[in-house]
Amino acid sequence: AQKITQTQPGMFVQEKEAVTLDCTYDTSDQSYGLFWYKQPSSGEMIFLIYQGSYDEQNATEGRYSLNFQKARKSANLVISASQLGDSAMYFCAMREDNAGGTSYGKLTFGQGTILTVHP
Amino acid sequence: EAQVTQNPRYLITVTGKKLTVTCSQNMNHEYMSWYRQDPGLGLRQIYYSMNVEVTDKGDVPEGYKVSRKEKRNFPLILESPSPNQTSLYFCASRLSGTGRGTQYFGPGTRLLVL
Repeated sequence: AQKITQTQPGMFVQEKEAVTLDCTYDTSDQSYGLFWYKQPSSGEMIFLIYQGSYDEQNATEGRYSLNFQKARKSANLVISASQLGDSAMYFCAMREDNAGGTSYGKLTFGQGTILTVHP
Repeated sequence: EAQVTQNPRYLITVTGKKLTVTCSQNMNHEYMSWYRQDPGLGLRQIYYSMNVEVTDKGDVPEGYKVSRKEKRNFPLILESPSPNQTSLYFCASRLSGTGRGTQYFGPGTRLLVL
């Protein structure tokens, strides 16, 4: 079964509007972390935002916020006031922490969503 | 500057010709790993290392080898490359432990196997 699912292969948004990129996950671990990365056409992986499974508040980083709904196992990325430079591939990823509380750091990635921002 | 470096960035080779992609980090991170990225599949882990001389298979290890003789370096070796190993490869590192522990990615290596 897919551990991370991004159901939107592509999304379009008008400049200055907000957009939500969907991500659902599957894990039986109680402790885990959820990440979003941006990959522009140049190819590098840029870390955007992190949400820990025990964090009570939704994470925010500037124009990025993570809508974390633990019971629904969803971790949607919200980008406010879209800019042309936001056009890129976006990946949702999960790191599962074992019962002992250690983490080997492996990230499991979704398939990605290509976001296109129109002027 | 904290960074992960990979070399080469681009490589075209032929089937069966052994190659090595180097990876180095300057952050004294214990944990390092290799991923490959393919369209529609996202990134998948190939191998990882929790510290010097400690390596283990990820999700797609077939056709790859790694070594971790020094903490900063984690080379990826393709002994006999095949066309299905054409992909974009990323090296990554982080401190061990739970929490935010941001994973740092290298710039990527684009490999084409003819």
